[in-house]
Amino acid sequence: DAGVIQSPRHEVTEMGQEVTLRCKPISGHNSLFWYRQTMMRGLELLIYFNNNVPIDDSGMPEDRFSAKMPNASFSTLKIQPSEPRDSAVYFCASQFIRDHQETQYFGPGTRLLVL
Amino acid sequence: DAKTTQPTSMDCAEGRAANLPCNHSTISGNEYVYWYRQIHSQGPQYIIHGLKNNETNEMASLIITEDRKSSTLILPHATLRDTAVYYCIVRVAKDFNKFYFGSGTKLNVKP
Repeated sequence: DAGVIQSPRHEVTEMGQEVTLRCKPISGHNSLFWYRQTMMRGLELLIYFNNNVPIDDSGMPEDRFSAKMPNASFSTLKIQPSEPRDSAVYFCASQFIRDHQETQYFGPGTRLLVL
Repeated sequence: DAKTTQPTSMDCAEGRAANLPCNHSTISGNEYVYWYRQIHSQGPQYIIHGLKNNETNEMASLIITEDRKSSTLILPHATLRDTAVYYCIVRVAKDFNKFYFGSGTKLNVKP
């Protein structure tokens, strides 16, 4: 298996632009997580999907952030409009929730810089 | 939600065992202990987890004290590639959205 795939790996954009991050979970996994990592705040959970349905989005910073999971093999995290404080590494992780002990597998991350 | 306490950094000589401690004095009976690591510029990587008993896999061993208030991750023969930040996390197994990574321990493996 190729693992969790994220694209792009690096993104540089200007303030006010729309940014779309993409994630392909591991085949067969039924849960997907979006995290953000910064030096100041560490690794934070933004949103969590189970069977393509958003279960917990309490970590989404504000209305500028939105996430979708149209099918089991694809998810997007969109920031519109982007701001410099959104600069961070965004990780996607997937998990197969079966006996609740299964662990999360992380992708390589997208490094976002908003100028 | 700081449920664990770990040293900020540790050094280990290459080839020696690395013992990384974690305190989780307020752990509940249904909370598991998970260990992840993050090598520079990569996503976090699962290492091992346990509830009460000691666990071992191809990567590491996890020793949990009898009162479950602390644990130790053991890398039996550390290599330079084990240099990373190691995170100790406790959570109720079914709370998939409660994975708090904290600050972790930066392990420096030196030649």
